[in-house]
Amino acid sequence: ELKVEQNPLFLSMQEGKNYTIYCNYSTTSDRLYWYRQDPGKSLESLFVLLSNGAVKQEGRLMASLDTKARLSTLHITAAVHDLSATYFCAVDIDTTSGTYKYIFGTGTRLKVLA
Amino acid sequence: DTEVTQTPKHLVMGMTNKKSLKCEQHMGHRAMYWYKQKAKKPPELMFVYSYEKLSINESVPSRFSPECPNSSLLNLHLHALQPEDSALYLCASSEPRTSHPDTQYFGPGTRLTVL
Repeated sequence: ELKVEQNPLFLSMQEGKNYTIYCNYSTTSDRLYWYRQDPGKSLESLFVLLSNGAVKQEGRLMASLDTKARLSTLHITAAVHDLSATYFCAVDIDTTSGTYKYIFGTGTRLKVLA
Repeated sequence: DTEVTQTPKHLVMGMTNKKSLKCEQHMGHRAMYWYKQKAKKPPELMFVYSYEKLSINESVPSRFSPECPNSSLLNLHLHALQPEDSALYLCASSEPRTSHPDTQYFGPGTRLTVL
């Protein structure tokens, strides 16, 4: 069974601290996506990682992909309150119809405390 | 413009009602998606349209009926829903998977409550 698991599921951290969210997946995929979702809102694209070893950075967030380990990380540097949200990773897989579809991770709810 | 719009924002309906959710994008994307999201859970794929043809149906009950009138529009027709169908319904669009990024862009969602 295909699984995309994130850990931790919940993360409460102090402002100014660093932390890493992990996304493990059980199938072969060379693409991985990170999204952010604020409460009651839609999903906002953060990063697209297209190949093994890919690293992308935007502000205090940095994402990386290791396709051999089937692992992606989202690293938070010097957290600020505005980063409080739920973060989802997603892998895309081929289907029998030839169409790709996302499989979302379980999500990590991040709360940054002042 | 990377906007996907959805109407209505909120919908309350009884179990015998018929209603429709609408989604529109003007990015020229040829793939469009419907997702269902329950509180504190990841989005669950329901349907995928690729080049205006239904490509994936994730074994969704027939009380949900998708329609893609043209490449910019996607509808979800609702009939005889159950209270457990209450959720946030998200529409997304993307380029079909090619060699360049195919990020899915999500609309704001329709918050559906079934009484």
